[in-house]
Amino acid sequence: EAQVTQNPRYLITVTGKKLTVTCSQNMNHEYMSWYRQDPGLGLRQIYYSMNVEVTDKGDVPEGYKVSRKEKRNFPLILESPSPNQTSLYFCASSPPPPNYGYTFGSGTRLTVV
Amino acid sequence: SQKIEQNSEALNIQEGKTATLTCNYTNYSPAYLQWYRQDPGRGPVFLLLIRENEKEKRKERLKVTFDTTLKQSLFHITASQPADSATYLCALEQDGGYNKLIFGAGTRLAVHP
Repeated sequence: EAQVTQNPRYLITVTGKKLTVTCSQNMNHEYMSWYRQDPGLGLRQIYYSMNVEVTDKGDVPEGYKVSRKEKRNFPLILESPSPNQTSLYFCASSPPPPNYGYTFGSGTRLTVV
Repeated sequence: SQKIEQNSEALNIQEGKTATLTCNYTNYSPAYLQWYRQDPGRGPVFLLLIRENEKEKRKERLKVTFDTTLKQSLFHITASQPADSATYLCALEQDGGYNKLIFGAGTRLAVHP
């Protein structure tokens, strides 16, 4: 089944403790992206990648890192999480735009206390 | 920068009626515009994409229009069903090209039997 898989689904952590949210897609898509979703603010792009080793900042990149060493994986790294990073995170992938929409993962609900 | 406006108030309609959702954008007309459906706690699901040179696009009971003069897209669901109840998101390219995709906050649709 074609899908984007994120792990973990839920995560509660403490301020300052480094964490990684994994994202993997099995559709051989070039484009991948991370979004966070907060009530009233909608989906905001954190980082995106157009292919292996090609990444760029979205609208809210502060406090996050990404890497794209393999085409299928696009992990999101929070080096020192803070409470304002408590959010619902989505990973998404697509073939090169503009003919296709994104396929989204199921989401990771992160709570930083 | 580009901004998207979707009606934040929920749209309540009776089963069998046509639901019409609005997406307005503020700046330049994008090369394409997308619509997604999102159910609570789940990732958005891509529905339709319409390009700037297309006035209308259809898929089963769904219809999307794109008016670059009004800077507006309309999303229609005909013969609506309770199963269509969800939040519908509009998305388009941000400044910088295809991969910087921004989303509206979405409009919640409730279809009542």
